[in-house]
Amino acid sequence: AQSVTQLGSHVSVSEGALVLLRCNYSSSVPPYLFWYVQYPNQGLQLLLKYTSAATLVKGINGFEAEFKKSETSFHLTKPSAHMSDAAEYFCAVSGPLIQGAQKLVFGQGTRLTINP
Amino acid sequence: SQTIHQWPATLVQPVGSPLSLECTVEGTSNPNLYWYRQAAGRGLQLLFYSVGIGQISSEVPQNLSASRPQDRQFILSSKKLLLSDSGFYLCAWSPNGPGYHNSPLHFGNGTRLTVT
Repeated sequence: AQSVTQLGSHVSVSEGALVLLRCNYSSSVPPYLFWYVQYPNQGLQLLLKYTSAATLVKGINGFEAEFKKSETSFHLTKPSAHMSDAAEYFCAVSGPLIQGAQKLVFGQGTRLTINP
Repeated sequence: SQTIHQWPATLVQPVGSPLSLECTVEGTSNPNLYWYRQAAGRGLQLLFYSVGIGQISSEVPQNLSASRPQDRQFILSSKKLLLSDSGFYLCAWSPNGPGYHNSPLHFGNGTRLTVT
């Protein structure tokens, strides 16, 4: 079975500082991993995805994530935080397709606050 | 390009009343469709998914049901709402077919349901 653990339900950084959001996964099959961002009262927007190609994945808005199989981690980073990055971030892992359906398992989310 | 629509955006319903939330996808055919629920302060829970017209799979036993009367239409229903049904409901789609096994889910903007 697949599972995701996001370390830290709340992360606060200063504007211009490094953003690091942690995600560890468990999967019985080679995983596909995703990071999504959710702004208040909106749906989830895909930031980036890992699909077994390059281990360092670049996404939108300057975010990137590195897949580390030995650590079962897929941490999300951004070198310099911007006020507009304030949102909730979800890490997700997919498992075997079920009748062709892509069933994602999500972490509990990390709320990112940016201090001016 | 593909788009996904959910309505209504917000809904306040009394306990015991019926529910119908609708989701439609444009710009693609035979998508996989999903309903997720996000309770306050919690992650996303997969409720239902569908790989085709009339094909519904339920992930958790509950007071809700889903239907797919048309290829790109997905409906979430309840005959009698409970207080515990309050939450943020998200519809999502992913492409169906060979070669899409690592596709992310694409989410609608959600419906905030408050049961009073």
